[in-house]
Amino acid sequence: QKEVEQNSGPLSVPEGAIASLNCTYSDRVSQSFFWYRQYSGKSPELIMSIYSNGDKEDGRFTAQLNKASQYVSLLIRDSQPSDSATYLCAVNQWNSGGSNYKLTFGKGTLLTVNP
Amino acid sequence: SQTIHQWPATLVQPVGSPLSLECTVEGTSNPNLYWYRQAAGRGLQLLFYSVGIGQISSEVPQNLSASRPQDRQFILSSKKLLLSDSGFYLCAWSVTGTPIYEQYFGPGTRLTVT
Repeated sequence: QKEVEQNSGPLSVPEGAIASLNCTYSDRVSQSFFWYRQYSGKSPELIMSIYSNGDKEDGRFTAQLNKASQYVSLLIRDSQPSDSATYLCAVNQWNSGGSNYKLTFGKGTLLTVNP
Repeated sequence: SQTIHQWPATLVQPVGSPLSLECTVEGTSNPNLYWYRQAAGRGLQLLFYSVGIGQISSEVPQNLSASRPQDRQFILSSKKLLLSDSGFYLCAWSVTGTPIYEQYFGPGTRLTVT
């Protein structure tokens, strides 16, 4: 069973701090990694994609990928109360049963940013 | 730009009743389409995916079925709902022909089976 693991949280940070969200995955041949943000009662929204080792920055968000350690993280700088949501890690894995790629999602980490 | 629609937004159905949820995508051709379910306290579970009209693959055996009658239309159905079918149903699309797999979700349908 290929898995994607996240700390369930909740993670609570003060406004203006850096929030760090972590994710590990079991399939060594995974190629693509994604972070989704899901507000309560809403559908997931893609916020970051990363395909190569290292860091990728987009505004206040930085995704970090380490394929050797099978680890991907999301840093949110200058956290705002509007960042309070569940963050889902998703990994593109080969589905041998269906002969295709599929996304496997972690169960998500609930982030609360306190004013 | 691409837009994905789902309806209805919410649905309350009795056990044993039929179900039909619809998803349509605008602004792209020949997308890959997916149905997911998110139950309370659980992660996203892939139910079905489709790479083209009439082509459906099932990930989890269950009393649900899916159909793709048109290129940008995806339908989730059931003949008889179970209590365990309650959840948040999400349709998603991705560009076909790549393993990169950025998926974009619709607004979802919240189903309560009573």
